[in-house]
Amino acid sequence: ETGVTQSPTHLIKTRGQQVTLRCSSQSGHNTVSWYQQALGQGPQFIFQYYREEENGRGNFPPRFSGLQFPNYSSELNVNALELDDSALYLCASSLVGGSGYTFGSGTRLTVV
Amino acid sequence: GIQVEQSPPDLILQEGANSTLRCNFSDSVNNLQWFHQNPWGQLINLFYIPSGTKQNGRLSATTVATERYSLLYISSSQTTDSGVYFCAVPIQGGSEKLVFGKGMKLTVNP
Repeated sequence: ETGVTQSPTHLIKTRGQQVTLRCSSQSGHNTVSWYQQALGQGPQFIFQYYREEENGRGNFPPRFSGLQFPNYSSELNVNALELDDSALYLCASSLVGGSGYTFGSGTRLTVV
Repeated sequence: GIQVEQSPPDLILQEGANSTLRCNFSDSVNNLQWFHQNPWGQLINLFYIPSGTKQNGRLSATTVATERYSLLYISSSQTTDSGVYFCAVPIQGGSEKLVFGKGMKLTVNP
């Protein structure tokens, strides 16, 4: 059974640029959620995808967008990067009706 | 929205000591999860515990849903227990979308 893998592990971008983060779900999981974790804080829910459709969104602007693919992998796209977007981005997969998340190791994004 | 509070925010222990972490939440929930975040950032699911008590080795958790709190017990702590512990509850209903507390940083010294 494979876990959740995220790429890249670290990334440095310039303010105003765009970034794409990738996530491969755990085998058998059909739901992917993305979280943003600022330094010293708990993760904050960005959005969730189920059957390739957005299934709920947290308090994040539209420049945060995502995709889920038929193989349940997912992308998080952030446009017009701001300094405050610097954070650890975590992907988690789960099974609807299941018993909890499996998180990836995250992508640490630094915006300069 | 639902609020999650964890206490204490920081804890320093000597190896072998026991500890109790507390999580209070502001509304009724039908599930609660405890996570451990290691120094490399990975969140590991420790317990999925909507109510009652579960044990896994030196760790155990108890959730009293009617009183809106959960406790995580760590016995005979080891240096590898160091990291940040989070509890998380659904944003609403039976949703899989979670609200996390701010975490509790545990340092276990040899």
